[in-house]
Amino acid sequence: DGGITQSPKYLFRKEGQNVTLSCEQNLNHDAMYWYRQDPGQGLRLIYYSQIVNDFQKGDIAEGYSVSREKKESFPLTVTSAQKNPTAFYLCASAGVWNTIYFGEGSWLTVV
Amino acid sequence: GEDVEQSLFLSVREGDSSVINCTYTDSSSTYLYWYKQEPGAGLQLLTYIFSNMDMKQDQRLTVLLNKKDKHLSLRIADTQTGDSAIYFCAASTGFQKLVFGTGTRLLVSP
Repeated sequence: DGGITQSPKYLFRKEGQNVTLSCEQNLNHDAMYWYRQDPGQGLRLIYYSQIVNDFQKGDIAEGYSVSREKKESFPLTVTSAQKNPTAFYLCASAGVWNTIYFGEGSWLTVV
Repeated sequence: GEDVEQSLFLSVREGDSSVINCTYTDSSSTYLYWYKQEPGAGLQLLTYIFSNMDMKQDQRLTVLLNKKDKHLSLRIADTQTGDSAIYFCAASTGFQKLVFGTGTRLLVSP
């Protein structure tokens, strides 16, 4: 089945550690996105990529990094510079008519 | 920049209609969307409407767009307990960047 797969579902990070969230899609979409969701709040855009080997910062990119080496993959690294990383992270990709489809999300908790 | 606002909470009885409202600020928004989020899950695209449309119906869902007032609504007919979730409105001026509202929590009681 076509879709967006995020892993892991749950991740714990120690202080000072970098962690990487995986996002893979088999929808043949060019554009991919990472959003952050805090409890009771909407989604905020971290990074997006319109095409392989190119990506742009979103509204809250500080403390995060991404790569887009393959069309199917858009991993997000949460670096130690991100001071408040505990959140729900959502990966998405865009299809026709500008429609954006989401993965099931990854929970990141700082311990 | 674009700002999207929604009411925080709506409570209805099973079988009633639900109407969730949304306002946006950027009159050049071309695409408007409704997403559903169940607890601990990602967002599910429910429906979308283009700015050149006033209404779109899809089974139990009806979307109304008032471009003059920059107001979008989602009506769910015959609301069921399985419809309990958070509903997000989103707007885009194109280039595939969406701005989301803070979500409306819909609670459906038996």
